[in-house]
Amino acid sequence: DIQMTQSPSSLSASVGDRVTITCRASQYIGGFLNWYQQKPGKAPKLLIWSASHLQSGVPPRFSGSESGTDYTLTISSLQPEDFATYFCQQSFTTPRTFGPGTKVDIK
Amino acid sequence: EVQLVESGGGLIQPGGSLRLSCAASGFTFSTTWVHWVRQTPGKGLVWLSRVNPQGDSTTYADSVKGRFTISRDNAKNTVYLQLNSLRAEDTALYYCAREASLGGWYFDLWGRGTRVTVSS
Repeated sequence: DIQMTQSPSSLSASVGDRVTITCRASQYIGGFLNWYQQKPGKAPKLLIWSASHLQSGVPPRFSGSESGTDYTLTISSLQPEDFATYFCQQSFTTPRTFGPGTKVDIK
Repeated sequence: EVQLVESGGGLIQPGGSLRLSCAASGFTFSTTWVHWVRQTPGKGLVWLSRVNPQGDSTTYADSVKGRFTISRDNAKNTVYLQLNSLRAEDTALYYCAREASLGGWYFDLWGRGTRVTVSS
């Protein structure tokens, strides 16, 4: 199975900060990397698909990029509604696998 | 409204069985892949199974193969997950999710989840 790791596991940031979360796959996944946001008591919400494609309705302050087996989610200017947990997920093969999550909370 | 709604969870004794349902509405259900994913505080999000649009191709995680069975009824716009031989470690929040396949594969629609608790 493809293992997904994320860093950091948590971070504290302020409104307006630029936030970067990294996800690494244990093997080549061809850009088939998705990012989700989850708030307490809610289902995950798709933000970015196939590494860099912004899902419809998601604010453009969210972006994704790829470098080899490393993938990055960037929030350009953190907003109050962005405090949540973020997961990456590979869809290159089954089993689909998720990263352990990065919790973003208020500094 | 475009949505998935899970049901069927509950408290069940070890060794017992449950059938979870995932009812779809607001989109063309019969053309979509549907997956089940569960979540626990300790293990995070774990993929379990998927079924193709026709219902004749299924895939399972090793951890549930032989115990869980996914199926669908396109006439009822519903996917099912039959959970047998339940163990304490199956306790989780179970989500169904639609997987889109335009430009990649990604879960673009999730239900709100149904909770399964395995305990004596």
